[in-house]
Amino acid sequence: KNQVEQSPQSLIILEGKNCTLQCNYTVSPFSNLRWYKQDTGRGPVSLTIMTFSENTKSNGRYTATLDADTKQSSLHITASQLSDSASYICVVQTGANNLFFGTGTRLTVIP
Amino acid sequence: ETGVTQTPRHLVMGMTNKKSLKCEQHLGHNAMYWYKQSAKKPLELMFVYSLEERVENNSVPSRFSPECPNSSHLFLHLHTLQPEDSALYLCASSQGWAVSYNEQFFGPGTRLTVL
Repeated sequence: KNQVEQSPQSLIILEGKNCTLQCNYTVSPFSNLRWYKQDTGRGPVSLTIMTFSENTKSNGRYTATLDADTKQSSLHITASQLSDSASYICVVQTGANNLFFGTGTRLTVIP
Repeated sequence: ETGVTQTPRHLVMGMTNKKSLKCEQHLGHNAMYWYKQSAKKPLELMFVYSLEERVENNSVPSRFSPECPNSSHLFLHLHTLQPEDSALYLCASSQGWAVSYNEQFFGPGTRLTVL
């Protein structure tokens, strides 16, 4: 069964600290994996897209990693800011152009 | 801000009402999508249009009726909805549909409440 599971469901961290969000998937065949950031009351915005051959991709303070062998991805946020408070959604696309969404991790950054 | 706009942003309707959600994309894309986002559940793909033709319909109840008059506009017509249809409805667009790297750009969503 094609599934995308994210952990933790929610996370609270202090401003300035780092954090790592996890995504495990069983989707096959794999085409690419995306991380989206969704602010409250807004639509998701793409942070990174990684294909099978890419292990790491950065977007400012966001760094995504991909291990296609273990079917795991992580999103690392460095020096968190209050504006990082949002839901982070992992999405895996199959070769047949189907997208499978995780339920997201709700991150809250407090001063 | 993305190039995808949605109206209205909030909608409250009774189960016997008829309403429509509107989506417009200013990105020159050829594919548009409707998604439903419920609390603590993954996004659910409802409909896909590519070059104004419906290419995917994921077993959505007939009380949801999409319309795509041109490549820039997408509507979702609602009638006789149920309270469990209350959710955030997201519109998205992408350059193409059946391509392996088609990044989707999302609108801000319409928060729908069915009483």
